[in-house]
Amino acid sequence: DAGITQSPRHKVTETGTPVTLRCHQTENHRYMYWYRQDPGHGLRLIHYSYGVKDTDKGEVSDGYSVSRSKTEDFLLTLESATSSQTSVYFCAISGERTSREQFFGPGTRLTVL
Amino acid sequence: AQKVTQAQTEISVVEKEDVTLDCVYETRDTTYYLFWYKQPPSGELVFLIRRNSFDEQNEISGRYSWNFQKSTSSFNFTITASQVVDSAVYFCALNDYKLSFGAGTTVTVRA
Repeated sequence: DAGITQSPRHKVTETGTPVTLRCHQTENHRYMYWYRQDPGHGLRLIHYSYGVKDTDKGEVSDGYSVSRSKTEDFLLTLESATSSQTSVYFCAISGERTSREQFFGPGTRLTVL
Repeated sequence: AQKVTQAQTEISVVEKEDVTLDCVYETRDTTYYLFWYKQPPSGELVFLIRRNSFDEQNEISGRYSWNFQKSTSSFNFTITASQVVDSAVYFCALNDYKLSFGAGTTVTVRA
């Protein structure tokens, strides 16, 4: 199994508070991704990174920011959490942008009250 | 416009029945990659198969088989002789310049 961990695995927070989720990999893969999974939508890309300090937006990036200061860590921050951001968040990694499969972390279940 | 369509939301079968999951995709690129992932009730996402747009050869892996047809933009997945452990949500995905997932098909296999 690909070495990907996410922390925390579960979090309950209140509307308006900042939240940071962490993704850590031990595979030295260049590409890292954050997705959210909601019923009926499959997985939707929030942001991705193609290298240290190199990031770009996905299809549902509003209200989220990311940072990658080291190859192995990719942080997702909800600046001011809203109830619509209640979701399961998955981190993924891949060695190539398009041609290779992505391997996913175990997910973080976030509830915003 | 949705790039990956999985028309079947839920499928329920009795053990040992075959089940086919449909996936239709849309892309303008000539080079792209297709994937299937499995998400069992425990929640993790498990990679099953990758296929590139230049390889239309069908593939069989144990009880799993995949039928890729560029002419109909389809990449269907069949589970033969289903088992209870096959119960999961199955996602089809397309990567042309980014990975787009279908909404998933929930497969329930009853003993």
